[in-house]
Amino acid sequence: EAQVTQNPRYLITVTGKKLTVTCSQNMNHEYMSWYRQDPGLGLRQIYYSMNVEVTDKGDVPEGYKVSRKEKRNFPLILESPSPNQTSLYFCASSLGGSPEQFFGPGTRLTVL
Amino acid sequence: KNEVEQSPQNLTAQEGEFITINCSYSVGISALHWLQQHPGGGIVSLFMLSSGKKKHGRLIATINIQEKHSSLHITASHPRDSAVYICAVRGINSGYALNFGKGTSLLVTP
Repeated sequence: EAQVTQNPRYLITVTGKKLTVTCSQNMNHEYMSWYRQDPGLGLRQIYYSMNVEVTDKGDVPEGYKVSRKEKRNFPLILESPSPNQTSLYFCASSLGGSPEQFFGPGTRLTVL
Repeated sequence: KNEVEQSPQNLTAQEGEFITINCSYSVGISALHWLQQHPGGGIVSLFMLSSGKKKHGRLIATINIQEKHSSLHITASHPRDSAVYICAVRGINSGYALNFGKGTSLLVTP
């Protein structure tokens, strides 16, 4: 089944404790992206990647890192999480400039 | 940055009604997306438009590039259409970065 998976789905952590949210797709998509969704602000793009070893900043990249060492994986790294990074995070992928983006199920992160 | 405005913010309709959700943006775009977010949180792509009109089942999306405006129409609405509908645009000079509207929350009652 074609899908985008994210792990973990739920995470409660404390300020400053490094964490990684994984994202993996099995559709051989070139394009992958991370978004965060906050009440009243909607979805905002954090980082995206056009292909292996090619990443670029979105709207709100501060406090986040990404890497794209393999085509299928695009992990989101929070080196020193802070409470303002408490949010619902979505990973998405698509085939090049294709219209349809496939979204992962979301990761709800709480930073205390 | 491309400002994306959606209206209305919230919409309640009775089953069977024709529904229109609007999206306006501020600068030139290369593409506009309509997304649907289910009550459980999952997000599904509905359409991508760069011109004209697209139809999928009871959903129709139109775009007017000159007026910087798009509409999503739902014909013969059904309670299962209840969801948040999100407009997102890809600016001409923004590469593949997307800017999102805040979404329109639709509730269709039986």
